[in-house]
Amino acid sequence: GESVGLHLPTLSVQEGDNSIINCAYSNSASDYFIWYKQESGKGPQFIIDIRSNMDKRQGQRVTVLLNKTVKHLSLQIAATQPGDSAVYFCAENNGSEWNKLVFGAGTILRVKS
Amino acid sequence: DVKVTQSSRYLVKRTGEKVFLECVQDMDHENMFWYRQDPGLGLRLIYFSYDVKMKEKGDIPEGYSVSREKKERFSLILESASTNQTSMYLCASSLPQGTPMGYTFGSGTRLTVV
Repeated sequence: GESVGLHLPTLSVQEGDNSIINCAYSNSASDYFIWYKQESGKGPQFIIDIRSNMDKRQGQRVTVLLNKTVKHLSLQIAATQPGDSAVYFCAENNGSEWNKLVFGAGTILRVKS
Repeated sequence: DVKVTQSSRYLVKRTGEKVFLECVQDMDHENMFWYRQDPGLGLRLIYFSYDVKMKEKGDIPEGYSVSREKKERFSLILESASTNQTSMYLCASSLPQGTPMGYTFGSGTRLTVV
């Protein structure tokens, strides 16, 4: 899940297992959500997005689930690979300020071989 | 390959120096953003721009200014660097509202102020 404070939550998974990374968002007016992956020494990279009129969207090995009732977003990674090790951020737009994204603190995913 | 390029990966500056962080994008994007990234705090928006010569304050603009004289270039300026501005700085660009969103990020500039 998302953190407050200085330490990011860490998810450790075995290679080949499925990973689920969670995010609680704050603004009920947000209608667009994105997951980013940030590898060490690199900027965040787009993984998948979802609009608020959907509750599920699938990409290649990744699925995003949106639960607007409890303002919760999750990223599922199937058959996790060592290359998936990174920090994952969720982001929401700001409702009325459609072009501005608000980012969560991030979750570290560590894949054990 | 489309890119957002930040001119420096690592910078070390002294307290009180004026610091310029440069960002250039080659995607003809209207929107450009500067974030700082600190452990446990995520990405926090410093300034953004929706057009040339246009700028707006983000959530933490104090101690910073920006310049956008050309569409492809967005500069972040630390008027008088302080140690609490030691951070990773990320530049991003995006298309305007109504088009597929999401940002393209640069690789970041890690600034240390001593």
